[in-house]
Amino acid sequence: GQQVMQIPQYQHVQEGEDFTTYCNSSTTLSNIQWYKQRPGGHPVFLIQLVKSGEVKKQKRLTFQFGEAKKNSSLHITATQTTDVGTYFCAVRNAGGTSYGKLTFGQGTILTVHP
Amino acid sequence: DAGVTQSPTHLIKTRGQHVTLRCSPISGHKSVSWYQQVLGQGPQFIFQYYEKEERGRGNFPDRFSARQFPNYSSELNVNALLLGDSALYLCASSLREDSVYGYTFGSGTRLTVV
Repeated sequence: GQQVMQIPQYQHVQEGEDFTTYCNSSTTLSNIQWYKQRPGGHPVFLIQLVKSGEVKKQKRLTFQFGEAKKNSSLHITATQTTDVGTYFCAVRNAGGTSYGKLTFGQGTILTVHP
Repeated sequence: DAGVTQSPTHLIKTRGQHVTLRCSPISGHKSVSWYQQVLGQGPQFIFQYYEKEERGRGNFPDRFSARQFPNYSSELNVNALLLGDSALYLCASSLREDSVYGYTFGSGTRLTVV
């Protein structure tokens, strides 16, 4: 199955600094989804990208899908303490068995110092 | 409208025992998936059910089983519990089988095996 590697594992920033997490694959991905999990919480869906070179924005969050569809990134501008949590990328099976299966990356833990 | 409901929220079991975890999806959602999340890792796919049929199974032993009922709620059963089964068990529902709009996760059941 498709696997994704996520870097960095941890990121500590001062409030107001920017943050970026990367998701990489050795194979072409049909899609990528991003989730946020607050400490002690559950994953919350943020967005799905499917098109080569796609860029989507949600307020201070910018999501990109690489031209080769082998990598994706999530960028947060001017972090706030409410951004604290673990950010996961996940790939949905595109067909065959386990059609709806999500394969998650290891996640990037973001801490924001006020 | 209620979100994804899981019960119980916390559970402590002894090695060798059996456990049943329950999930009620968002009203109208016909797909339910189960994930195991060990501390510090991304969720791992266990099962997916859609319209009461098993649509996918992850790399978990036969001690893990699940089913979906006519009202689309679901149960995850784990037999002969091992210490390594201690984890957060997440249920996720989606309107469609292929989660193109992302999954909505429940708050999870924290299982501790002692």
